[in-house]
Order: sequence, then structure tokens, then C-alpha cells
Amino acid sequence: QVQLVQSGAEVKKPGSSMRVSCQASGGTISNYPISWVRQAPGQGLEWMGGSTPPFVTANYAQKFQGRITITADASATTVYMDLSSLTSEDTAVYYCARGLQLLDYWGQGTLVSVSS
Amino acid sequence: QSALAQPPSVSGSPGQSISISCSGTSGDFGNYDFVSWYQQHPGKAPKLILYDVAKRPSDFSSRFSGSKSGNTASLTISGLQAEDEAYYYCASYTSGSTLLFGGGTKLTVL
Repeated sequence: QVQLVQSGAEVKKPGSSMRVSCQASGGTISNYPISWVRQAPGQGLEWMGGSTPPFVTANYAQKFQGRITITADASATTVYMDLSSLTSEDTAVYYCARGLQLLDYWGQGTLVSVSS
Repeated sequence: QSALAQPPSVSGSPGQSISISCSGTSGDFGNYDFVSWYQQHPGKAPKLILYDVAKRPSDFSSRFSGSKSGNTASLTISGLQAEDEAYYYCASYTSGSTLLFGGGTKLTVL
């Protein structure tokens, strides 16, 4: 069974950038497309973007265009989501998930808090 | 792009059936049937319960079914059980090659 493991919680300052990583436990992530989804406190799910192996190009939600980048390391064992110009509105749990049209396996979530 | 429209809440008694609707535009649904549904219990990651409108992952209960007509998809849960109490989200792969979620529906089992 595929398990996606994400990096730990972070606290960020407004105006800074964040990076969340996503690895496959017990295997490689390099065979599957990966999406990133976030959930602000008490709010619904919001798709941010997704990429297919080898994670050179990505598709992003219009809301995040220009602020988000999805990449992978050279061996495509870890996928990263970078988000810049953070504001308090970016405080959320960030999830990686396998897939683009459907998301069948999800990471455990990474809480990122943006506060001065 | 606005979220797909879902009712904020639905409720039902154990054993009953409920349906949750998910409405959007033709662009939201594209020319595909890539509609999926997710169940989320508080503090947990979402879980895929239906995909391609009506297909179920192998390990998920047949009490959950899906349908789509025009620009509205629906999730039906039959034989409600206490553990079905959760938030439910629809999602659609759009004509712009993005994934669009619904606003979510809280299901309360009375």
C-alpha cells in the first residue's frame, strides 16, 4: 500500500516562503502524478496544483499562479511544493496526494502557520 | 474559479439513505466523467470513496454510490451508520486541466 510521508509542521513569517516535501514510504514516488491540496482552519479542500513524472512541468490553480512551484529531486523520490509571499491567509494544512483527476492516496498533512 | 456547489449540511437517521449534490458549470466538469468524492473525518486526511462518477475503490463500502446528470453529480449513502458522520467533498477535473473541489458537506447521523 502506498504511503505518502510529508515534512513536519512549520511557522513562517509574512512575506517569506515555505517548502513542504512529500515522499513515498517503502517505494518511489516517481511513477505517479502528485497533487497538492490545502485546507485552511475550518474550511474546505482547495487544489493548488499538480505535476506528473518527471515533475518538470506542472499545472497550477489560477489562484496560486506565480507563487507556487512543484518540483522533485533529481531521483524523483521526493516531491516539493514551494509557496512564496506568504500571508496569514496561507495558514493551512497542506496535503500531497497521488493523482490528478482523482486523489487515491494522501499524505498525513503538514500544518503551516503564518504569523508575525 | 468558484468551488463546486454542495449543500453545507445534510442529516439522516441510522439505516436511512441520504444524497449530497454537487453542481457546477459545463467547464467545471469538462467533457469528462472525472468526478470524485472524498470523506474526511475531523483531524484526518481525506479519503477517496468514489471516482469516475460511480466507481468505488476496492476497499470501500457498496453503501456509497454516485451518479451524474448534466452539470450535477450526486453521492448517495444508503443504510446510514454512525461512522458515516463526516465531511464529504466532491471534486471534478475541469476543462482547464485543474481539479476543482466542492465546498464540502457535513453529514450528521442523528
